[in-house]
Amino acid sequence: GQQVMQIPQYQHVQEGEDFTTYCNSSTTLSNIQWYKQRPGGHPVFLIQLVKSGEVKKQKRLTFQFGEAKKNSSLHITATQTTDVGTYFCAETDSWGKLQFGAGTQVVVTP
Amino acid sequence: DAGVIQSPRHEVTEMGQEVTLRCKPISGHNSLFWYRQTMMRGLELLIYFNNNVPIDDSGMPEDRFSAKMPNASFSTLKIQPSEPRDSAVYFCASSLYGGSQPQHFGDGTRLSIL
Repeated sequence: GQQVMQIPQYQHVQEGEDFTTYCNSSTTLSNIQWYKQRPGGHPVFLIQLVKSGEVKKQKRLTFQFGEAKKNSSLHITATQTTDVGTYFCAETDSWGKLQFGAGTQVVVTP
Repeated sequence: DAGVIQSPRHEVTEMGQEVTLRCKPISGHNSLFWYRQTMMRGLELLIYFNNNVPIDDSGMPEDRFSAKMPNASFSTLKIQPSEPRDSAVYFCASSLYGGSQPQHFGDGTRLSIL
């Protein structure tokens, strides 16, 4: 099946800096969901993007869906130690089945 | 509100033994998903149910794996016989039916097969 590719695989960030993680597909995505998994924890739903060019914000997190609906990004400003974890994007199908990307593991240095 | 409840949280057993993982979805959710997570393969969907009916089990790795959902509030994932390569974290998730519903994950079962 279709697979979403996430880059980078790892991201070391100094506390206070910004960073962006990307999710790419070779085909058009119907919609995209983002999840966060803390170390030792379980994936937690963050947001869903549906419309072409959609931008949504959650405090310091900005999510964007590409105009062609083939890519998405998550931008975090002023990174904090609480942002540590792995961020996954996932495409959903009409049944609700999720196809997860490999994730971006974020490490924050104080 | 109670979230997705999985048991046991940890399981350590010897190769060849039968392992049964349990999941109670969020009340009212009619879709249930079983995932396996490893460092090598990431988060893999094993099987999912809609209204207690298995819809897609193409992710189930082998015949040693089986899953059931006898009612709307309970599901099991069974491995028989277990092998060391089955060691992983197994997550259960539930959602309302539909393509755009967020999934709610349980805390997972960390399985170690010796």
